[in-house]
Amino acid sequence: GENVEQHPSTLSVQEGDSAVIKCTYSDSASNYFPWYKQELGKRPQLIIDIRSNVGEKKDQRIAVTLNKTAKHFSLHITETQPEDSAVYFCAARYNGGSQGNLIFGKGTKLSVKP
Amino acid sequence: DTEVTQTPKHLVMGMTNKKSLKCEQHMGHRAMYWYKQKAKKPPELMFVYSYEKLSINESVPSRFSPECPNSSLLNLHLHALQPEDSALYLCASSRTTSGSSYEQYFGPGTRLTVT
Repeated sequence: GENVEQHPSTLSVQEGDSAVIKCTYSDSASNYFPWYKQELGKRPQLIIDIRSNVGEKKDQRIAVTLNKTAKHFSLHITETQPEDSAVYFCAARYNGGSQGNLIFGKGTKLSVKP
Repeated sequence: DTEVTQTPKHLVMGMTNKKSLKCEQHMGHRAMYWYKQKAKKPPELMFVYSYEKLSINESVPSRFSPECPNSSLLNLHLHALQPEDSALYLCASSRTTSGSSYEQYFGPGTRLTVT
């Protein structure tokens, strides 16, 4: 089955700096990679996703890159703001026997200091 | 309506109680999911319903019993739970489980405490 590794587990940056979170996946058949942001006590919120036929996708201050050969994908947040502080989860859609279920990484706690 | 809603927000129950969690979406999604999330951990898949039929049961104990009465509603019936079942229970939905429409959107969750 699929396995997703996420690094780092914690990340602290100054307001205005960039933040990068990296994930690797094991199954080359995985074809969809979403990123979720979860603030304390709130639901995971889908913030950006990428499909395996695309190398990069941007949405304002956030971007995701995918390297299918190396089986890794990354979340980039530029000009970070205190409201970006949250736990971020990457996931991979496993295309095997579990009908395309999401396999989540363990999460990265991002702290943005004003 | 672009939201998944869940009730109740909080639930405290004893180990002999029977209770139910409810989830509702009106986005026309035909796939619905139950996840369990412990503190500082990622969501852990429990059940998947596709077109109102149970398609995945991730070896969940029988004290958790899912039900999908129609395409908009998903219930999770709880009976004889253990304290270690205390967690945030999240419902999610997506258009389908296959093809290209499988973005999953989560509800706000039910914070369950088993005493």
